[in-house]
Amino acid sequence: QQQVKQSPQSLIVQKGGISIINCAYENTAFDYFPWYQQFPGKGPALLIAIRPDVSEKKEGRFTISFNKSAKQFSLHIMDSQPGDSATYFCAARGDSGYSTLTFGKGTMLLVSP
Amino acid sequence: DAGVIQSPRHEVTEMGQEVTLRCKPISGHDYLFWYRQTMMRGLELLIYFNNNVPIDDSGMPEDRFSAKMPNASFSTLKIQPSEPRDSAVYFCATRLAVGTDTQYFGPGTRLTVL
Repeated sequence: QQQVKQSPQSLIVQKGGISIINCAYENTAFDYFPWYQQFPGKGPALLIAIRPDVSEKKEGRFTISFNKSAKQFSLHIMDSQPGDSATYFCAARGDSGYSTLTFGKGTMLLVSP
Repeated sequence: DAGVIQSPRHEVTEMGQEVTLRCKPISGHDYLFWYRQTMMRGLELLIYFNNNVPIDDSGMPEDRFSAKMPNASFSTLKIQPSEPRDSAVYFCATRLAVGTDTQYFGPGTRLTVL
């Protein structure tokens, strides 16, 4: 059973464009939604996170939009740069124990120069 | 701080051999998580510890997998005997108990079982 569904699997965006990655969840007990960024050969690293009491959080070129009623959240990367090329994982906390994260399957983003 | 340290970074072994992966957490972090990453299944949580005590090992795929945390500075994930389907990247991640939800991942161990 996939608790967090992420789409698309892969994405190609032109430099300067907007990258959008979507996630949907099923469990209403989830209360923390981070996005992790992973470069080849490295471990994932926290990029940005949101809690369900706000609908949007922005940090630089990265924005999370959160729709509690639809149980969906998305990552927007404005002015995408080749250096943003990486795999992005959405995640949610609160399912099996308050300490663990359930991850989406990841989106491989390629920003072409 | 050096971050989470994992060794080895790459491991190639033959089916049936024992494999031991090692993790040194960030000093002071109370939680330690072992994940497995594959293209098909993404990032899967295998087991996690709190203050060196295993809390949930429901993600461990089979009895061939075992994990220990003998002290706050060291954890191992052992596969015995290894099988080709165990080939994956294994990550260790750690977290403070309070004040943050952020998990810090190590660089991973790429395991290939021939």
